[in-house]
Amino acid sequence: DQQVKQNSPSLSVQEGRISILNCDYTNSMFDYFLWYKKYPAEGPTFLISISSIKDKNEDGRFTVFLNKSAKHLSLHIVPSQPGDSAVYFCAAYNNAGNMLTFGGGTRLMVKP
Amino acid sequence: EPEVTQTPSHQVTQMGQEVILRCVPISNHLYFYWYRQILGQKVEFLVSFYNNEISEKSEIFDDQFSVERPDGSNFTLKIRSTKLEDSAMYFCASSEVDLRNEKLFFGSGTQLSVL
Repeated sequence: DQQVKQNSPSLSVQEGRISILNCDYTNSMFDYFLWYKKYPAEGPTFLISISSIKDKNEDGRFTVFLNKSAKHLSLHIVPSQPGDSAVYFCAAYNNAGNMLTFGGGTRLMVKP
Repeated sequence: EPEVTQTPSHQVTQMGQEVILRCVPISNHLYFYWYRQILGQKVEFLVSFYNNEISEKSEIFDDQFSVERPDGSNFTLKIRSTKLEDSAMYFCASSEVDLRNEKLFFGSGTQLSVL
């Protein structure tokens, strides 16, 4: 039951370029989406979120785009920095529950 | 910055033994959670806890699992009789209000290895 899917297990990007991480979901009840970043030996840390009433949310170098009709969201990091190298998890929840459903994660490697 | 702390960072146990994983959530938070991540798989929800009772639990959280807030600061996850497939990284998390309005703060996890 993969309600939230991140199809790319890994992504490699040159420093200074744009990183685009993608996420698809199947549950149309999801109405709030988040991105978490995880370094080795640490717990996930919140990065950015977006409500289903919006299609874009920006915070510094990070922008999340939501395409509800396609049930797709993406995280853009511009410009990418080596310190951005981590595993990025897409997560979602719906108005009926108090739990996050996570995707499988994408490992981003930003090369200097 | 306040943080969620988990102990121990690593726990090794024999199959069939009981384990207790401990967490100290952020002090003014009211909602508490356990998630786990089996190696190479996604982070999965186990249980949420509010006002001294379970508010939601997943199919994973069967009768072998229990949670408790024994005092004003600790939040524990007990696995009564561990199985090999319980081996995973267990994350505790807390939030100040419910998830609709506030992000989750995760601890750094307890790596449980069941032999």
